Amino acid sequence: GESVGLHLPTLSVQEGDNSIINCAYSNSASDYFIWYKQESGKGPQFIIDIRSNMDKRQGQRVTVLLNKTVKHLSLQIAATQPGDSAVYFCAETSRQGGKLIFGQGTELSVKP
Amino acid sequence: GAGVSQSPRYKVAKRGQDVALRCDPISGHVSLFWYQQALGQGPEFLTYFQNEAQLDKSGLPSDRFFAERPEGSVSTLKIQRTQQEDSAVYLCASSPRTASNTGELFFGEGSRLTVL
Repeated sequence: GESVGLHLPTLSVQEGDNSIINCAYSNSASDYFIWYKQESGKGPQFIIDIRSNMDKRQGQRVTVLLNKTVKHLSLQIAATQPGDSAVYFCAETSRQGGKLIFGQGTELSVKP
Repeated sequence: GAGVSQSPRYKVAKRGQDVALRCDPISGHVSLFWYQQALGQGPEFLTYFQNEAQLDKSGLPSDRFFAERPEGSVSTLKIQRTQQEDSAVYLCASSPRTASNTGELFFGEGSRLTVL
């Protein structure tokens, strides 16, 4: 069935380095993608989104890249900080579906 | 507060008991979603409301799960005759947009259900 998945379940980086979290999706009808950050004991928190008519979008210290040819999404975090430690989920939806479908998640651990 | 509020934050139930989980969405938000998150997994869609109308309940795992939003604001997720596999965090999210243009969802902190 349709699903969203992540390549790496865990990622450990040094403080100050850049982080890249990857995600693969299989629903070619998806036209809207969101990255969420979830800290322990809390609900997912919106980071950045991108629509299928774009291939790159930048926010504060974060960049999302979308490659529709290979159905791949990535989240880049610049100058990773200890406060970035969390589980990161990609999620996808389409105008027809409405509901968000989440991937499994990647745990990002930042070493001081 | 201004965010999505869920209660109770923690609930322990004996197998076979009924439970009710409450969600207070952000005031004025049209859309309300319930998700189930098992330990170490991503949230799984359960059901969606647009105002008081339940437009999608395709994710409810069995007829023991029931959700309502009678006045288009507060929502309750009810689980009857709880089973151990129902143990999870139940997340509520709201959005000012309708499902056709979902946009950002604002999540509550969840209700953690443990069934013994």
